[in-house]
Amino acid sequence: DGGITQSPKYLFRKEGQNVTLSCEQNLNHDAMYWYRQDPGQGLRLIYYSQIVNDFQKGDIAEGYSVSREKKESFPLTVTSAQKNPTAFYLCASRLSANSPLHFGNGTRLTVT
Amino acid sequence: AQSVAQPEDQVNVAEGNPLTVKCTYSVSGNPYLFWYVQYPNRGLQFLLKYITGDNLVKGSYGFEAEFNKSQTSFHLKKPSALVSDSALYFCAVRDIGSYGQNFVFGPGTRLSVLP
Repeated sequence: DGGITQSPKYLFRKEGQNVTLSCEQNLNHDAMYWYRQDPGQGLRLIYYSQIVNDFQKGDIAEGYSVSREKKESFPLTVTSAQKNPTAFYLCASRLSANSPLHFGNGTRLTVT
Repeated sequence: AQSVAQPEDQVNVAEGNPLTVKCTYSVSGNPYLFWYVQYPNRGLQFLLKYITGDNLVKGSYGFEAEFNKSQTSFHLKKPSALVSDSALYFCAVRDIGSYGQNFVFGPGTRLSVLP
């Protein structure tokens, strides 16, 4: 079955450490996205990528970095510069301009 | 700037009764509108979308939504609620007049269907 795989499901890190969240899709979608979800705030866009080797900052990119070396993969690194990294992170992809987003099942990051 | 409002944090409805989850939006151009549902510790699942055409859109699991341009609303409805419909619902908009890469999501409405 085609879909988006995010790993790990739960991640725990100490403050000051960088951490990388994995997102892999086999849907052959060009566009990929990273969102952050906090209670009561909906989803906020961190980064997005339309094609390989290209990505754009979203609304809350500070303290995060991404790469898009392959069409299937769009990993997100949460750096030590991110002030409040504890959150639920969602990866998504989209086939075309009129298509809805397809979401992975998320990674819950806890930083202590 | 695009924005989406979901005026109710929580909606409670009895099983078998009709349900409505409200959404209003603000965009600079023509809107693409979406509804998603999220179950605990899962990603969002697509329910339905409005791009153009009929104002009443039918989607998955018996849900439908009515687009009202004058009121800038896109309320989600279901004629008869099920306990299994209990979840978090998100309305989203994408401005097709923009570069088109950002979906703006509302804060979500938690639906509880009581047996």
